[in-house]
Amino acid sequence: QKEVEQDPGPLSVPEGAIVSLNCTYSNSAFQYFMWYRQYSRKGPELLMYTYSSGNKEDGRFTAQVDKSSKYISLFIRDSQPSDSATYLCATLVNAGGTSYGKLTFGQGTILTVHP
Amino acid sequence: NAGVTQTPKFRILKIGQSMTLQCTQDMNHNYMYWYRQDPGMGLKLIYYSVGAGITDKGEVPNGYNVSRSTTEDFPLRLELAAPSQTSVYFCASRASGLAGNEQYFGPGTRLTVT
Repeated sequence: QKEVEQDPGPLSVPEGAIVSLNCTYSNSAFQYFMWYRQYSRKGPELLMYTYSSGNKEDGRFTAQVDKSSKYISLFIRDSQPSDSATYLCATLVNAGGTSYGKLTFGQGTILTVHP
Repeated sequence: NAGVTQTPKFRILKIGQSMTLQCTQDMNHNYMYWYRQDPGMGLKLIYYSVGAGITDKGEVPNGYNVSRSTTEDFPLRLELAAPSQTSVYFCASRASGLAGNEQYFGPGTRLTVT
């Protein structure tokens, strides 16, 4: 079983739609949860991160973590064509200690937003 | 700041050849990482370094070697290239300290082994 599972899609939505992207994970030791956005032929960029369970909002983006069910979500409101990209969830045990910031990534979901 | 730079952008290798993928960062980050990304597979960690002179294996180190002689540079060496090493390779760096510190990624090197 992969430590982090993510539906690769692809996901295609009309402009203005609400998008829900999801991941599940198996390791209870994961404490930090990130979402990276990767445009075609570019490196990933950090979109948002959360620590432990709860919600975090940044503009049109909301990240949600439910540690009891080991479920990670990213919601995009009023989606735009410029949101078309691959979205990767990633998890981290901790920043220091023995993990040294090593991320475990999901497979990535390809999102296309049509005008 | 240029951030994380990688060279070359593209490369085609024949089976059995060797090459070095270059990675440089100008943010004075202690932590650096090499990942490979295969279609539909996310990113897999190959090697990482927590400072000059200190490196360790990640999830998929076989067939690769690294060195870290300076804070800025973290080259990845492929010896005896195999078709299974066809992939996109990303280098990343991160400041030590806070858990939320972002990993900054380079633009990637697309490698084909035929």
